[in-house]
Order: sequence, then structure tokens, then C-alpha cells
Amino acid sequence: QQPVQSPQAVILREGEDAVINCSSSKALYSVHWYRQKHGEAPVFLMILLKGGEQKGHEKISASFNEKKQQSSLYLTASQLSYSGTYFCGTEGGAQKLVFGQGTRLTINP
Amino acid sequence: DSGVTQTPKHLITATGQRVTLRCSPRSGDLSVYWYQQSLDQGLQFLIQYYNGEERAKGNILERFSAQQFPDLHSELNLSSLELGDSALYFCASSAQAGRLNEKLFFGSGTQLSVL
Repeated sequence: QQPVQSPQAVILREGEDAVINCSSSKALYSVHWYRQKHGEAPVFLMILLKGGEQKGHEKISASFNEKKQQSSLYLTASQLSYSGTYFCGTEGGAQKLVFGQGTRLTINP
Repeated sequence: DSGVTQTPKHLITATGQRVTLRCSPRSGDLSVYWYQQSLDQGLQFLIQYYNGEERAKGNILERFSAQQFPDLHSELNLSSLELGDSALYFCASSAQAGRLNEKLFFGSGTQLSVL
């Protein structure tokens, strides 16, 4: 099953914070986060593993609540370069990595 | 540059035709994944190969097929094309074990336009 992301879109001013949520209807062992800029390929941000948390970038961090089957991506003091669509990915069974529909983040100066 | 190479970058064809998309994974990566991204849509998982064998399948249409060759490059074949098949097709690769706790490296994609 495909994870569900919220919100679908966010518009911020530079320097503001954002939270993107990802939830699944099934138990999770890991959650992936990727960012895709317009017209480009998705780029890996971080993986969160069951029982641990892995931070991929200085001002971008994430949490993983195994019991609630949820993950949240936190972007603090957002920069213009943070603009893009963020995807969370979870196991869809049998080695499948399935992604949510994405959250479009727009950072304005 | 992710190290994953996809060709061609753009492909324009007509309905009913057949096309082949090619992907070369990063050096040393044994797993290859194919994803379809329609306009303003998410990444839809199609299929995964690991070291030449099919490992997982998503909502891939019967008109679509894929394979991974001994040199580890992969091809995605799309036949009897329909207008709705127009999309950006991404290939991704991961490190040798192909476990889901490994990050994926995406190619730049092939933009398919069916007219």
C-alpha cells in the first residue's frame, strides 16, 4: 500500500519551518525520504530505520514513530534551495519501495 | 550525477508503437528499479530486478515488460502504447544487497510522449 503524505502542498517564506508527514496503514521497518526538484530526478535525503533515526542533512531531520506507523520530515529555517517535491517511501512488501504522492514545498524570498 | 544512466532522455512515438528504455546502474549496484511518474503524480513502482532476476513487481501493465541482463543493465519494454502511457520513466539502482534500508540512486529519466 502507498503511504499517505500531508500536506499536499506548502508555501513558506525563506527562514520559516515546515513539517511533512507520512503515514502508513502497515507496520514499517524503514522510511525513506527523497526530494525532487522540478524537471530533475529524485535525490536521497535520508532513511529512518526501525529502532533508530538517521539524519541526512544539517537543517533537515526526521522522526519515525513505529507504533503509529508514521514519519515526519522537519525542515528548519528553510532556504530557497529547499523548494521541490518531497516523497516518503515505505516497504510495499517483497522488496518493493513505494512512494507517497509527494508534498510540494515552495519557498519564497 | 547519480551514476545511473538512462537512455534516451526523450522519446516521442505514436499510439500502438513499441519502445525500449534503457538503464545502466551505478558501478557495483546489482538492483535496478523502474518507476513511472505521470504529470504531477507521484512515483509509481513498476518492477525491480536483482542480479538478473525479477525481485518485486508493482502495478505494471501486461503491455510492459522488463529484464536485467548479465552486464546488469536493464531494459523496460513498452508495447501497444496508449496516450496514457506518456510519462517520465525513472530507473534507480541500489547497492549490492538490494535491501530496503539502502538508498536509491535515480537516473535522470526518460520522458516518453505518446501522440
